[in-house]
Amino acid sequence: KAGVTQTPRYLIKTRGQQVTLSCSPISGHRSVSWYQQTPGQGLQFLFEYFSETQRNKGNFPGRFSGRQFSNSRSEMNVSTLELGDSALYLCASSVSGDRLETQYFGPGTRLLVL
Amino acid sequence: AQSVTQLDSHVSVSEGTPVLLRCNYSSSYSPSLFWYVQHPNKGLQLLLKYTSAATLVKGINGFEAEFKKSETSFHLTKPSAHMSDAAEYFCVVTPGITGFQKLVFGTGTRLLVSP
Repeated sequence: KAGVTQTPRYLIKTRGQQVTLSCSPISGHRSVSWYQQTPGQGLQFLFEYFSETQRNKGNFPGRFSGRQFSNSRSEMNVSTLELGDSALYLCASSVSGDRLETQYFGPGTRLLVL
Repeated sequence: AQSVTQLDSHVSVSEGTPVLLRCNYSSSYSPSLFWYVQHPNKGLQLLLKYTSAATLVKGINGFEAEFKKSETSFHLTKPSAHMSDAAEYFCVVTPGITGFQKLVFGTGTRLLVSP
């Protein structure tokens, strides 16, 4: 079974631009979560989607948004990029998002904002 | 709110010696606890998880952790370190009362293994 895939793997943008990151979960997994990893703040939960609905959201500004498609693939969007948005963005999938399930992580998208 | 504290930012061991990575948790309810490992330029991989069954949890690659409620700890151990164990390790908690998963990560412990 293929793992979680994320595209692109690396991205360079400038302040004020917007960016869209993509995540394809493991086949059969319907829950997709997004996390931001930075040296200063560590790993922080962004949001979680299940069956095209956002069920959980972390403490991030409205510039961070996401969506999930009927095939469970998910995208996250960051508008009006700031320097502090430079980070590794990780996507994880699980079957239903239950707290006892294992989440499987993708390799991440490394975003650099100049 | 649930949280975890990883007591060491870096741990250095020699190959073949035991590994101990310390984690304390804070939770008003019975938590679910995990240890994840992150190798350079790779995603996170689950080592093991505690979900209120056995308090001693065995994971992959010879790692294990013991849930101690009285000490609010969930330390990760391995009897003998291997060079390939060098990585960053995260202790993670997820709330014990909600149905949905929202991982709360510790700050990480970087394990260095010398020959």
